[in-house]
Amino acid sequence: DVKVTQSSRYLVKRTGEKVFLECVQDMDHENMFWYRQDPGLGLRLIYFSYDVKMKEKGDIPEGYSVSREKKERFSLILESASTNQTSMYLCASSLEWQMNTEAFFGQGTRLTVV
Amino acid sequence: GQQVMQIPQYQHVQEGEDFTTYCNSSTTLSNIQWYKQRPGGHPVFLIQLVKSGEVKKQKRLTFQFGEAKKNSSLHITATQTTDVGTYFCAGPTSGTYKYIFGTGTRLKVLA
Repeated sequence: DVKVTQSSRYLVKRTGEKVFLECVQDMDHENMFWYRQDPGLGLRLIYFSYDVKMKEKGDIPEGYSVSREKKERFSLILESASTNQTSMYLCASSLEWQMNTEAFFGQGTRLTVV
Repeated sequence: GQQVMQIPQYQHVQEGEDFTTYCNSSTTLSNIQWYKQRPGGHPVFLIQLVKSGEVKKQKRLTFQFGEAKKNSSLHITATQTTDVGTYFCAGPTSGTYKYIFGTGTRLKVLA
């Protein structure tokens, strides 16, 4: 079974802190994604990566950056956490979008910024 | 930018009643996928539709892709308490790796 693992289930950080969310997948997938999920807004794409060291902005990249140094790992970085970044963060991976393959999600990280 | 809207946002049904959620995209989708997220869980893939007008069934679930490939629906016949959760549609913008999710429909089934 494909496994996508996020480093933390729950996280509480202070305003202004630099925050790292880690995601690892074990199926050699090309594509990895970071979404945030807020009530009534669905899943909104923050960043995605289709190859090592490659990244593309999603719909809401402001205040975030990402890193993909190895194929299996995709990190989301909040440069200076703010309270409006309190949310559920979901990482996903897929073999190849253009081959129309399903996405596999991690269990999510619920981040609270105080 | 591209938007994918779902209606309704919430739906409460009595167990045994039918349920339908609709998904509408502002742009054409090359394919559409449906996911289910149980309370406290993460989205799990249900199905993918690729062809214009395509209809697929999974037991009590019927999925349809519109002729213009801009809308889709999920219909559940005779809901059960195990159907509780949020249903999302999702699709890639044509020619890109960008995958857009709908706003979701949260289903509650009353026993």
